[in-house]
Amino acid sequence: AQRVTQPEKLLSVFKGAPVELKCNYSYSGSPELFWYVQYSRQRLQLLLRHISRESIKGFTADLNKGETSFHLKKPFAQEEDSAMYYCALSPPRTSGSRLTFGEGTQLTVNP
Amino acid sequence: EAEVAQSPRYRITEKSQAVAFWCDPISGHATLYWYRQILGQGPELLVQFQDESVVDDSQLPKDRFSAERLKGVDSTLKIQPAELGDSAMYLCASSLAGSRGRSEQYFGPGTRLTVT
Repeated sequence: AQRVTQPEKLLSVFKGAPVELKCNYSYSGSPELFWYVQYSRQRLQLLLRHISRESIKGFTADLNKGETSFHLKKPFAQEEDSAMYYCALSPPRTSGSRLTFGEGTQLTVNP
Repeated sequence: EAEVAQSPRYRITEKSQAVAFWCDPISGHATLYWYRQILGQGPELLVQFQDESVVDDSQLPKDRFSAERLKGVDSTLKIQPAELGDSAMYLCASSLAGSRGRSEQYFGPGTRLTVT
């Protein structure tokens, strides 16, 4: 069965500090991995996907197939990064549908 | 900018009553999803439509939940009868692509259901 685990429900850092949100997954095969974000009073939205190998708002995520991880990183956190972050996976060749989400990590960036 | 619309935003009902939620996806989006998000957890997919057809309802409790998208545009999710454990946020999302091609899911604001 596919599963996404985000071990930290809460994460607090100071502005300017590096931040890493952890995500581990279990899946038999090569899924597509995503990070979704929900800012306060806003809708859930896509932040980035591993297939694009992009940096969005200074965030990057590297897929480590050996460790089955897809951790989200940013070298210098900003207060506006405070939000709920969800890691999600999708089976291959399903165009990002049938998402399985983790339980989320609430990131707080303190001034 | 086009957005996914959902109504109502909040709904309080007594157990054993029937409730219905409505979703209007972004125009032109062929794929529509309903998710349930229990407090403190991530969204869980209930049902996925491709146009008017259900392509995945494996996690939908079919004894009490039903979903339809009759004309392949807007959709309704119904619960009858509601149970206390159904209290959750119900999210609708839509995406452009069909079964091929990658496409981002766009989420609505959700309907917060409280069953008393």
